[in-house]
Amino acid sequence: DQQVKQNSPSLSVQEGRISILNCDYTNSMFDYFLWYKKYPAEGPTFLISISSIKDKNEDGRFTVFLNKSAKHLSLHIVPSQPGDSAVYFCAASDGYIPTFGRGTSLIVHP
Amino acid sequence: KAGVTQTPRYLIKTRGQQVTLSCSPISGHRSVSWYQQTPGQGLQFLFEYFSETQRNKGNFPGRFSGRQFSNSRSEMNVSTLELGDSALYLCASSSTGTQSYNEQFFGPGTRLTVL
Repeated sequence: DQQVKQNSPSLSVQEGRISILNCDYTNSMFDYFLWYKKYPAEGPTFLISISSIKDKNEDGRFTVFLNKSAKHLSLHIVPSQPGDSAVYFCAASDGYIPTFGRGTSLIVHP
Repeated sequence: KAGVTQTPRYLIKTRGQQVTLSCSPISGHRSVSWYQQTPGQGLQFLFEYFSETQRNKGNFPGRFSGRQFSNSRSEMNVSTLELGDSALYLCASSSTGTQSYNEQFFGPGTRLTVL
């Protein structure tokens, strides 16, 4: 039973446009959420995080939104660049074991 | 600062054999976590070691074990390999571990193929 779901396995976006990656969770004990980016043949790299006491966190082109009532978070990338093409993993933590989604493959076309 | 290193990068074994994977965390990091990534399954948490003690454990059979040394380097062992163990095994380090929400720094992984 997946506690963290990324329902879109892939997403294709034009360069300069907004990329929106979504993530849903079921465990109400999760109180910290992270996004990682993974290029082929490399390990995931941390991108941005958000605590459950916030509903938005920004870092440059990346913004994460958290809707606790809907148990939903999203990652916005604006503007999207070809170098953003990678697999993005959403992760949730209850302070002990982090749970990852299955990832969304983002392709940004020039 | 050197990143997380994992050895070997690629490994081919046959069913029934055992395998040991190694991970060297970032200098100063005391927490090492191991994950299994299979196609379509995302990253599944195996276990975390902190200061040589297993602190958290995921839902994997006892064939999967690990240990951490005093220099924080960690090894993961899988005994009696099965075809389904073929996966990318990722190691991640952090300064204080998963219990403090620190972001983790991942190594490039070891690709294990079981024939």
